[in-house]
Formats: sequence, C-alpha cells, structure tokens
Amino acid sequence: AQSVTQPDIHITVSEGASLELRCNYSYGATPYLFWYVQSPGQGLQLLLKYFSGDTLVQGIKGFEAEFKRSQSSFNLRKPSVHWSDAAEYFCAVGALEGGGNKLTFGTGTQLKVEL
Amino acid sequence: SQTIHQWPATLVQPVGSPLSLECTVEGTSNPNLYWYRQAAGRGLQLLFYSVGIGQISSEVPQNLSASRPQDRQFILSSKKLLLSDSGFYLCAWSLAGVFYEQYFGPGTRLTVT
Repeated sequence: AQSVTQPDIHITVSEGASLELRCNYSYGATPYLFWYVQSPGQGLQLLLKYFSGDTLVQGIKGFEAEFKRSQSSFNLRKPSVHWSDAAEYFCAVGALEGGGNKLTFGTGTQLKVEL
Repeated sequence: SQTIHQWPATLVQPVGSPLSLECTVEGTSNPNLYWYRQAAGRGLQLLFYSVGIGQISSEVPQNLSASRPQDRQFILSSKKLLLSDSGFYLCAWSLAGVFYEQYFGPGTRLTVT
C-alpha cells in the first residue's frame, strides 16, 4: 500500500523568505503526486501535480515541486513567501491499489508566515 | 467550469440523532464522487467513493453510509450519530475514469454533542 510522510507538522518562515515543504512517499511504481493547500475552515485547493515527464512541475500561486525518484520525495518550494500563503499544505499520492483507485494524503504541514 | 457545493457549512447535532450531508457538482457529467473526513493532525480519511449512480464503495466500516441518487449528487448519512463522528467532512469529485486528480468542496464542520 502507498503511504505519504510529511515530516514537518509546523513550519514558520518570514515573509519574503524561501520555503520548502517536505514530502516522502512509498509506492512500488511511479506514483501520481499532488500538493494541496487548505485555508482555515475551507476545502482543499490543488496547487500542482506530477504524472510523468519533467520532474520539476510548476503550480499556481508561484509554487513548484520536484519529483526525485531516488529519494522518493516530492518537495514543495516557493522562492518568496507571502503572508497569504499561511495555510495547511497536504501532499498526496495516487495509485491503483487492490483493484480500487485511491488518493493517500499526508498528515499535513501547517505554515505560519511572520511579517 | 465545474463547481462543487456542500451544505450545510456547519452543523451541531446531539448524539443519537440522524445525519444528512449533501454534495452536488455542476458543470460535468458522470463524475467520480468522494467523501472524506478530516480530523486534526490526521490528514484526510477516505470514507466512500462512487463511480456512478447507485454505485458506492466503502473504505472504512463505520457508523456512516453514502448514497448517490442522481448523477451529480452525493449524500452522506447516519441513522444515529456518535461523538466520534465529529469532524470536518469534505466532498470531492474527479472526472470519470480519472480518480487521482480530485477537486474539493468547501466542507462541512460537524460537531456531535
């Protein structure tokens, strides 16, 4: 079965600083990988996705993520964080499993932005 | 464009009362539909998914059930709520045949007292 680990529960960065949120996955084949963002009390918004091809993918709001097969990682990055980026971020892996289709989510990383 | 709606946005219900949460999708046909529950610090747990009218797959045996009476309507129900049913419930959809790229509704905050 696939799994996702987000090792950082909370991260605090200053506005304008760079950001990297870590995500490690476990899956036997090439996974489909996603990053979602959730503002307080809201649903999840898809930031970016990786299916195949170029391992550096661009998303909305200036975010990017890099798929590294050798490290089983899909870390999310942003060169300059804005106060509005404060939210919870979820990494997810999609894979066929036991005849069914499933997205497995990490437990999330809460991002706080200091002004 | 596609839009997903959930209601109510918040709900406070006593233990033992019934539950009905509704989700509807606009702008697409025959979507896959999903119900998730989110507990603090535990990510999202898939509860049910549906690939068509009347077709429901349950991921976790529990006090809840789901139904899909119409193509773009997905309902989460319970006959008798438990305290442990409290949480944030999210509905999501994906294109038919494409399970992995899912789009989420705004969620329902359920508090069982």
